[in-house]
Amino acid sequence: EVQLQESGPGLVKPSQSLSLTCSVTGYSITSNYWGWIRKFPGNKMEWMGYISYSGSTSYNPSLKSRISITRDTSKNQFFLQLNSVTTEDTATYYCASLMDPLTIAADYWGQGVMVTVSS
Amino acid sequence: DIVLTQSPALAVSLGQRATISCRASQSVSISRYNLMHWYQQKPGQQPKLLIYRASNLASGIPARFSGSGSGTDFTLTINPVQADDIATYYCQQSRESPPTFGGGTKLELK
Repeated sequence: EVQLQESGPGLVKPSQSLSLTCSVTGYSITSNYWGWIRKFPGNKMEWMGYISYSGSTSYNPSLKSRISITRDTSKNQFFLQLNSVTTEDTATYYCASLMDPLTIAADYWGQGVMVTVSS
Repeated sequence: DIVLTQSPALAVSLGQRATISCRASQSVSISRYNLMHWYQQKPGQQPKLLIYRASNLASGIPARFSGSGSGTDFTLTINPVQADDIATYYCQQSRESPPTFGGGTKLELK
């Protein structure tokens, strides 16, 4: 079974970059699609973007100038970088596997990592 | 972006049927595919996929969960409701980029 685990700092200062790692076991990231989703305090959820089996990416336009999703196939990991963060980026960040490029439903999720943006 | 609207909360008795609705600001259906999906989230846990493409049960999900709908109106049904089903339920569309989520419906005991 696919398992995903997020890791990264829980506290980031405003204007800095948020960097998270998603480690995947049980499935190769060179197959399938892999995404980042966040949940804000108050329950709103936002789709951030995803990276395909080939390394191509798709980002939410609301984040397009700040977000980058990359991968390391040798470690079976993919990464999220979000630049110029503000307090509004405080959220729980999840990585997930996606069913297929049409369905784009997240069928396996990591536990999530809470990130607070604060000075 | 496509806006998905859900009622904030629904109160239900154990053993009864719960019907959770999600309305999209425009159609999320294309050809024979209804690109609406449903998740369950309990406090402190990650979301869990329940239903994909409107009516397909995800792996390992009990048959008391079912989904229906097309176009702009979709429904998640839980019948009968069990204590373990108390959670928040989200719909999500993938018809247009970016994928978007509804605001969630908190299922509560009556």
